[in-house]
Amino acid sequence: SQTIHQWPATLVQPVGSPLSLECTVEGTSNPNLYWYRQAAGRGLQLLFYSVGIGQISSEVPQNLSASRPQDRQFILSSKKLLLSDSGFYLCAWSGGYNQPQHFGDGTRLSIL
Amino acid sequence: KQEVTQIPAALSVPEGENLVLNCSFTDSAIYNLQWFRQDPGKGLTSLLLIQSSQREQTSGRLNASLDKSSGRSTLYIAASQPGDSATYLCAVWNSGYSTLTFGKGTMLLVSP
Repeated sequence: SQTIHQWPATLVQPVGSPLSLECTVEGTSNPNLYWYRQAAGRGLQLLFYSVGIGQISSEVPQNLSASRPQDRQFILSSKKLLLSDSGFYLCAWSGGYNQPQHFGDGTRLSIL
Repeated sequence: KQEVTQIPAALSVPEGENLVLNCSFTDSAIYNLQWFRQDPGKGLTSLLLIQSSQREQTSGRLNASLDKSSGRSTLYIAASQPGDSATYLCAVWNSGYSTLTFGKGTMLLVSP
């Protein structure tokens, strides 16, 4: 069966520090991969999605970037965190555009 | 631009009641609609996915219906239990888009 792993579960970082969140999927190949951010009262916002290695699309301009160095690995990064980057970050995968999306357990990011 | 609305925003019921959660969307050109459950501080768990050609899907005590022409879906939960307490999110996948558009969710509390 397929599983998705996200880490770390929680992270506290100072303003201006770098960020790297990692997501990996097991049990499937060539998944579509997604990064979302969930902020209180605003629902889930899609940040990035990828349909293959090295293929990254961004939905909104922001202080973050994403990379997919391997088929089942998706990384969310920032060179300098802002206070507004605080939130709950969720990674998800699907088998295709018309297949269910499955989510990881998320990373709670707090910026001080 | 697709907009997804969920009503009510919060719902509190005694154990054993049957209940209905509502989801509406503004653009009926969708591929599918997916219902999720989110426990506090956790990721999303996929409950049901309804393809645009389907009218309903069932899983255990859950039944989801889809009326694409009117832009509505309902999630019916039979014989509610305290373990059903969670936030329920509805999301639609539009033709021409790359991922899901989410509603803000209905927070459900089932009291013993």
